[in-house]
Amino acid sequence: DGGITQSPKYLFRKEGQNVTLSCEQNLNHDAMYWYRQDPGQGLRLIYYSQIVNDFQKGDIAEGYSVSREKKESFPLTVTSAQKNPTAFYLCASSTPGEGQPQHFGDGTRLSIL
Amino acid sequence: RKEVEQDPGPFNVPEGATVAFNCTYSNSASQSFFWYRQDCRKEPKLLMSVYSSGNEDGRFTAQLNRASQYISLLIRDSKLSDSATYLCVVREGTGNQFYFGTGTSLTVIP
Repeated sequence: DGGITQSPKYLFRKEGQNVTLSCEQNLNHDAMYWYRQDPGQGLRLIYYSQIVNDFQKGDIAEGYSVSREKKESFPLTVTSAQKNPTAFYLCASSTPGEGQPQHFGDGTRLSIL
Repeated sequence: RKEVEQDPGPFNVPEGATVAFNCTYSNSASQSFFWYRQDCRKEPKLLMSVYSSGNEDGRFTAQLNRASQYISLLIRDSKLSDSATYLCVVREGTGNQFYFGTGTSLTVIP
């Protein structure tokens, strides 16, 4: 089945540590996204990529980094500079064209130890 | 000003009730519109796309008013399983930017 796989489902970070969240899709979508969701809040865009080897900052990129070396993969690194990383992280993908929706992975919950 | 605005609710309705959610968007160039459903601690899932002529899927009806830049979702005969947060989403043109409302919380009460 085509879809988006995020791993791990739960992740714990120690102070000063960088952690990387994985996102893989087999939908052959060009665009991929990372969102952060805090309890009771909406989705906020961290980074997005429209094509391999290219990505743009979203609204809350500080303290995060991404890479897009392959079409199917868009990992997110939460760096030690992100002082409040506890949140639900969602990866999504889409294809160009009017009426095409976004598809989401099932998310990674990140907490600070 | 936010790109997409929704009434956050919460909406608490009895089983069998009809409930309507509204959403406004600021960019008149927006081309594609969607309603997503998000259950507690889960990812958003596409509920339905919204077409210019309005569209229906079972108990759910979505409507678009481009002149007023307004989208609505109507749920008839509410079920307990409809309890969730409903997100209004707008896509600009054929580009890759999506804008999300903060969601409207619905609880259907027995």
